[in-house]
Amino acid sequence: DGGITQSPKYLFRKEGQNVTLSCEQNLNHDAMYWYRQDPGQGLRLIYYSQIVNDFQKGDIAEGYSVSREKKESFPLTVTSAQKNPTAFYLCASSIRGLAGNGEQYFGPGTRLTVT
Amino acid sequence: KNQVEQSPQSLIILEGKNCTLQCNYTVSPFSNLRWYKQDTGRGPVSLTIMTFSENTKSNGRYTATLDADTKQSSLHITASQLSDSASYICVVSPLRTGTASKLTFGTGTRLQVTL
Repeated sequence: DGGITQSPKYLFRKEGQNVTLSCEQNLNHDAMYWYRQDPGQGLRLIYYSQIVNDFQKGDIAEGYSVSREKKESFPLTVTSAQKNPTAFYLCASSIRGLAGNGEQYFGPGTRLTVT
Repeated sequence: KNQVEQSPQSLIILEGKNCTLQCNYTVSPFSNLRWYKQDTGRGPVSLTIMTFSENTKSNGRYTATLDADTKQSSLHITASQLSDSASYICVVSPLRTGTASKLTFGTGTRLQVTL
């Protein structure tokens, strides 16, 4: 099956702990993205990567970190510096990066709850 | 500032009825507009994508229209089914990209189809 997988589906953490969300794709896409979705708001871009070993900050990168060591994987770490981390996190990928205006394919999402 | 506004915010219709969702945008210059369907707790799935030169595009019971002059798009759902219950998100891409956050997402219309 081709697609994007995110794990886990639900994640619970205590305040002050870092947590890493997994995103894997087997679509052979160059670009990958992380979005955050909150009730009543449109998706907001956290980080994106257009090629292995390179990534760029999005609109709301503060308190988050990423790595892109492999083409297939783009994990997101939510650090204790993120003031309001409880949200639904979506990973996406596209054949080319933002400049290519290509369609983005989304994973199933991870719902993170921090108490 | 690029914005995408969707209306109504939520909608309840009876199974078998038609409905139309609206999307107004200020993104300019404009490259393409996409409609996504997002089931609760899942990632968005693309329904249609239209460039500025296209006026209408269909995908089964879904028909999207675009008026680039008035910067308006609509998504018409024909003969609704219970499985159409979801959020529908309008996403606009500007003509030039290359830096972060160049897709602008609407907040979505939440559709509920009932018996």
